[in-house]
This record gives sequence, C-alpha cells and structure tokens, in this order.
Amino acid sequence: DTEVTQTPKHLVMGMTNKKSLKCEQHMGHRAMYWYKQKAKKPPELMFVYSYEKLSINESVPSRFSPECPNSSLLNLHLHALQPEDSALYLCASSHPSTGKNEQFFGPGTRLTVL
Amino acid sequence: GNSVTQMEGPVTLSEEAFLTINCTYTATGYPSLFWYVQYPGEGLQLLLKATKADDKGSNKGFEATYRKETTSFHLEKGSVQVSDSAVYFCALSSTGNQFYFGTGTSLTVIP
Repeated sequence: DTEVTQTPKHLVMGMTNKKSLKCEQHMGHRAMYWYKQKAKKPPELMFVYSYEKLSINESVPSRFSPECPNSSLLNLHLHALQPEDSALYLCASSHPSTGKNEQFFGPGTRLTVL
Repeated sequence: GNSVTQMEGPVTLSEEAFLTINCTYTATGYPSLFWYVQYPGEGLQLLLKATKADDKGSNKGFEATYRKETTSFHLEKGSVQVSDSAVYFCALSSTGNQFYFGTGTSLTVIP
C-alpha cells in the first residue's frame, strides 16, 4: 500500500464550527506532515510529526490543532476558522531516517470557511 | 539556507513540443532533489527524484539531472502530450524532514 488517504474530500464550515481532517498511511512511515495550499501556490508547511511527536510547528494559529494518535494516523482539528483559511489541506508522509526522502502526498481536503 | 528558484509560468506548448522547466537551488549540505506534479483538483505526485550529484531521475518520459556545479535540476520532456497539462513543482530536501518547494510552473499543452 503506497497511498496516503485523506477525509473528507471537501468540507464547508462556518466560523463557529469545530471539525477535523483525517489522514492515514500504511507505508510504515514515521514522519507525517500537514500543509496548506492556496490556489496556484506551492504547499506551505504547517506541522511535522516525527515518531508521533510534534517536531515542527510553523507558527500556525492556535485555531489549527494537530494530533497524531498513532504511527498511521494524523488529524487536524479546526475551530473558529476565518474565511482566509479556505484552502486545500494536504497531508504527506515519509521515512524520517535521513530527512531527505521523498514525501508521499494525499489527495487533500478542500476546505471552505463561510 | 535552503531555497528553490523555479521558472515562472504559465507555459503553453503545442502537443509534441519539447519542454524545459528550469529549477535552481541553494542548499547547505547535500540535498535530495525532486519534481512533483499536481493535476487539477489533486494532491502532489512524485514525478522523479535524484539523491546525489550527476544522478538522472526519469519517469513517464520526463528527465532531470542533478547538476552540483550549476546547482540546477531542470525538468525536460522531448514530446509533451495534452495529458501532461498540470502544475510542476521543483523541491529539495535536506536534513530535518523539511521540504523546500519552488513556486510552481503551470503547463498547458494544446492539441
């Protein structure tokens, strides 16, 4: 299995809602990532988990809360988002052994905040 | 620090034309280099990679050679197809589980 899956594919939420994005991989990768991508832009790194521990937080607002329950799952909890948070949210995974291995990306969750 | 500079788009080519998308990088140490492709409405897919100087990555007719002397990793394809229309991202990975992406180049191939 060389796939990263993400659910849901699309999400529309109001600014007062609480929702979660989910990501799963079964490749035995021990590094997992959340990215935010705006249209026609490269992905922007949000969070990195290495061996289920948060290793990088790129100064992301606290309305985004990541969670890594186990080595295969990664969640992103959303609360009190703003319209400018509307974007494609991508999950990725990789072997963390050297830090130079390719990242495998999921198809993304298209988030719209009303 | 680490960074990637990528040719600005958009690029429009006729089917069967030759494609080059330029990519240069700045890195500390010895990075790995990648090209990713993103089709409309999808995530990023790894197109090819090279892990050391003079390596050539290739896939689906695309090629790129890791040139340390010119710090470049240009993407080429001899004959593009309509199905190659997508956004292409050059990226590097050095130690620390972090990727550095170029700005992306949008390619449209017309029949």
